[in-house]
Amino acid sequence: QKEVEQDPGPLSVPEGAIVSLNCTYSNSAFQYFMWYRQYSRKGPELLMYTYSSGNKEDGRFTAQVDKSSKYISLFIRDSQPSDSATYLCAMSYSGGSNYKLTFGKGTLLTVNP
Amino acid sequence: DGGITQSPKYLFRKEGQNVTLSCEQNLNHDAMYWYRQDPGQGLRLIYYSQIVNDFQKGDIAEGYSVSREKKESFPLTVTSAQKNPTAFYLCASSSRARSGIQYFGAGTRLSVL
Repeated sequence: QKEVEQDPGPLSVPEGAIVSLNCTYSNSAFQYFMWYRQYSRKGPELLMYTYSSGNKEDGRFTAQVDKSSKYISLFIRDSQPSDSATYLCAMSYSGGSNYKLTFGKGTLLTVNP
Repeated sequence: DGGITQSPKYLFRKEGQNVTLSCEQNLNHDAMYWYRQDPGQGLRLIYYSQIVNDFQKGDIAEGYSVSREKKESFPLTVTSAQKNPTAFYLCASSSRARSGIQYFGAGTRLSVL
């Protein structure tokens, strides 16, 4: 079983739709959870960051972590064509000297005008 | 502006040639990373360094070499031993203060002539 599983899509939605992106993971030691957005031929940019369980909201974006189910989600409300990108989930262990991130393979999202 | 600068943006390698990709950061981050990204493969860790003059192999280090002589710089050499070097290469850095969060450069696209 891979440490992090992410549906690669592609996912195509009309403008204004609510988008749900998800990752599952197997390692219960993960404590820090991130979502990155990557436009074509660009480097990933940090979108959301959550520590442990719970929700975090930032404008149209909401990140959810359910540690009991080992499941994280990113919701995009009122999606825009500019949201079209690949979304990568990532996670890391708590503290210590290990700063390595484990990434999902990314979900390609297209928002159609 | 603080950030991570990768150069060049595009690079071409001839058969049997070593090439070096540059990565510089002015974020005062301790740790730096190199990833390779292929279509459908997600991000794969090549090398990482948590402190100057020290670095560790990632998941796909064969055919690559790095150095970390300065905190700000972490160049990657793609050697002739790397038989399939065509990929998008991403450099990232992170701070001890915020476990795991990595910030990425814009990437270098390497192709074989």
